[in-house]
This record gives sequence, structure tokens and C-alpha cells, in this order.
Amino acid sequence: AQKVTQAQTEISVVEKEDVTLDCVYETRDTTYYLFWYKQPPSGELVFLIRRNSFDEQNEISGRYSWNFQKSTSSFNFTITASQVVDSAVYFCALKKVNTGFQKLVFGTGTRLLVSP
Amino acid sequence: ETGVTQSPTHLIKTRGQQVTLRCSSQSGHNTVSWYQQALGQGPQFIFQYYREEENGRGNFPPRFSGLQFPNYSSELNVNALELDDSALYLCASSSGGAGFQETQYFGPGTRLLVL
Repeated sequence: AQKVTQAQTEISVVEKEDVTLDCVYETRDTTYYLFWYKQPPSGELVFLIRRNSFDEQNEISGRYSWNFQKSTSSFNFTITASQVVDSAVYFCALKKVNTGFQKLVFGTGTRLLVSP
Repeated sequence: ETGVTQSPTHLIKTRGQQVTLRCSSQSGHNTVSWYQQALGQGPQFIFQYYREEENGRGNFPPRFSGLQFPNYSSELNVNALELDDSALYLCASSSGGAGFQETQYFGPGTRLLVL
């Protein structure tokens, strides 16, 4: 069975602080995809990144960076110099490869509050 | 914006009623998935439609059903509504084929309240 754990329920930071959101996953598959989505109060899930299990390179996109460590089954997300607009719920998700259908398994999310 | 639209935005129903939610997929996408997100939880996969057929289903009872139309838009129908059906219902579209490995893009969701 697949499982995603986001142990941090809520994180509060002050603007310009760096913050890391943790994601730990469980799967028996050797190939899989990992995702991060952002959910602002409007409700829409906004795609941030997709990572293939074969690609363990870390990625940086502006203020966002992702640290994928297969050895510890973790896919952590860091926001550098946080801003108020980063306030949202962030979800980590896992997907099998070549299952014949698109089923994402989500964690319970981490609510990030960035205050001015 | 993803180009995925959903209607209605909000809906209030009473227990036992039936409801239909609608989703228009992003241009060029032929696969639609539906998710249920209860308050404070992550989304749960309900089912997927590809080329007008259901080709994958999560752990939801048969009273959750759907349709996909030739233009790839989709409906989610829920019969005999229960209080626990109150949730945000999210639709996601993607391009099918190649083992369905493409990224899903989500719509804004429909908030359903069952009284």
C-alpha cells in the first residue's frame, strides 16, 4: 500500500524566514512519481513540482527548492525568504507509474501561515 | 489558471437527495479524475474517466458514479446523500496514454454541504 505522511499540521513563520515542509512516503514500487501541490483558500490545487523516483537531483525554482532522498523516503520542500502570499495548505502526493489510471495518494497537508 | 472549470461553486443538499457536479477539462486533455476532500484532509481519489469510460476507481461506494462526454467534460453524480458526503469535490484533468503518467491539473472545486 502507498502512504504519504506530512507530520507538520501547521507552521507559522514571519515573512522572510525560510521554512521547510516535510514529506515522508511509503511504497513498495521501485518507480513512482512524487508531487507537491499548493492549495490557497480558494480551494484549487496548484501544481508545483513532479519528481520521478529515478531522478534524485534536488531542484530549485526561484524561492522554492525540493530535496528528494530515496534512502529516507523523503521529499521535502523549502521556501526561502517566505512571503505572505505563500500562506496556503501544501500537499505532498505519490503516484504509481503505469497503473492504467491517474490516482494520486495525498498526505494530510501542512498549513503554512506567513505573517508580515 | 489551469483551464479546468467546475460548477457549481457551492451546493447545499439534504440527506437522501441526489447531486450532480460538473467539470470541464483543460483543452487537449482527455482524462478526468475526481477527488473528494473532507475538511482538514488530503484529497481522496474517487474515480477516473478516459475516453468516456471509467477506468479506475478508489474506495467509494457505487452511489458515486460519473460520466464523461465526447468533449471530455465530466459529471460526478452522488445518490442518496449522506452527511459524510459534505466535502470539497475536485476535478483534475490530464492527457491520457503512455500509462497515464502526465501531471494532473485541478479545478477550483465544488463545496458540497449535506444537511
